[in-house]
Amino acid sequence: QKEVEQDPGPLSVPEGAIVSLNCTYSNSAFQYFMWYRQYSRKGPELLMYTYSSGNKEDGRFTAQVDKSSKYISLFIRDSQPSDSATYLCAMSAASGGYQKVTFGTGTKLQVIP
Amino acid sequence: DADVTQTPRNRITKTGKRIMLECSQTKGHDRMYWYRQDPGLGLRLIYYSFDVKDINKGEISDGYSVSRQAQAKFSLSLESAIPNQTALYFCATRGRGTGELFFGEGSRLTVL
Repeated sequence: QKEVEQDPGPLSVPEGAIVSLNCTYSNSAFQYFMWYRQYSRKGPELLMYTYSSGNKEDGRFTAQVDKSSKYISLFIRDSQPSDSATYLCAMSAASGGYQKVTFGTGTKLQVIP
Repeated sequence: DADVTQTPRNRITKTGKRIMLECSQTKGHDRMYWYRQDPGLGLRLIYYSFDVKDINKGEISDGYSVSRQAQAKFSLSLESAIPNQTALYFCATRGRGTGELFFGEGSRLTVL
């Protein structure tokens, strides 16, 4: 079983829809949770960064962490064609001077105009 | 100019050849990483370095070696390339005390 599970999609939605992207994990030591966005032929870029459980909102994006269920989500409101990309969840546990970051495999999202 | 620059962006080579992928950064970060990305497997860590004198193996270091020539430069070598090393390779940096990784644009390597 992988430490981090993420549905690869692809997920196709109409412009303006609310998008929900999810990851589950098995390592209860994970404390830091991240979402990266990766456009085609580009490197991943950090979208959201949260610590422990709870919600964090940034514009149209909301990251949600439920540590009791080992489940994290990223919601995108009013989705735009420019949101079409692959979304990678990532997580880490504090581990001395090095925080090993474990990535999900990514969910490919397409927002149709 | 990009903060993390990788060269070459694309490379096709043959089995048994030696290949070097180079990474340079202008972010002033001391921590640098090499990942490979494969469909269905996600990003996997090959090597990481905390400073010029500190090199560490990641999850999948077999068949790879690295060199940290300076704080800003970190290169990845495949001594004798094999077809299952065909992948997209990313260099990344991270500052102290933060979790955010900054990635380059990737080097697509094809080994025939």
